[in-house]
Amino acid sequence: ETGVTQSPTHLIKTRGQQVTLRCSSQSGHNTVSWYQQALGQGPQFIFQYYREEENGRGNFPPRFSGLQFPNYSSELNVNALELDDSALYLCASSSRQGVNEQFFGPGTRLTVL
Amino acid sequence: AQKVTQAQTEISVVEKEDVTLDCVYETRDTTYYLFWYKQPPSGELVFLIRRNSFDEQNEISGRYSWNFQKSTSSFNFTITASQVVDSAVYFCALSADRGSTLGRLYFGRGTQLTVWP
Repeated sequence: ETGVTQSPTHLIKTRGQQVTLRCSSQSGHNTVSWYQQALGQGPQFIFQYYREEENGRGNFPPRFSGLQFPNYSSELNVNALELDDSALYLCASSSRQGVNEQFFGPGTRLTVL
Repeated sequence: AQKVTQAQTEISVVEKEDVTLDCVYETRDTTYYLFWYKQPPSGELVFLIRRNSFDEQNEISGRYSWNFQKSTSSFNFTITASQVVDSAVYFCALSADRGSTLGRLYFGRGTQLTVWP
């Protein structure tokens, strides 16, 4: 167990809806990264949050947005859901100093119908 | 640009066989990190190892060993005497110090390992 938690575990939405996924980072970690893993693929970097600000973004449209809170937990929001958004969403936490040592949560599996 | 290639999509072995998972990476950075993660059916990524680009020493941890060769840009992973519990998807990943996002991981497509009893 990494100490990184995510909620919910599973989620089913329909096209056009909005969704919020949550991540609690490991104690002592102040950096959270989000990844999308489509079926049969490796995880793809969405963005990273450090000190409540977005600190780098992958090739994802603006309808993917996030937040980081003072306690370093984080949210991933996706607006106007599309069928291709169906995936496992993983968050990873790390300290800034040990940013190359990331610990992943169990993921949220999102299905868009 | 950073890139990781795992050419083996699926591997099947019988218990107690040795198996090697291949990983080839591309980067222009001189300082970078290589990782292996295990993903069981539950979905959580389990960290196995991290190596930095300045440390080419091979590593052994129990039945697991890793061979890092900068000359061929490879970071291969060997499981000795495989067990059914080793069945999972294994990902190789790369991160580099250059760029706007420290610690951003670039993953390969993964290798599905199935170990039969």
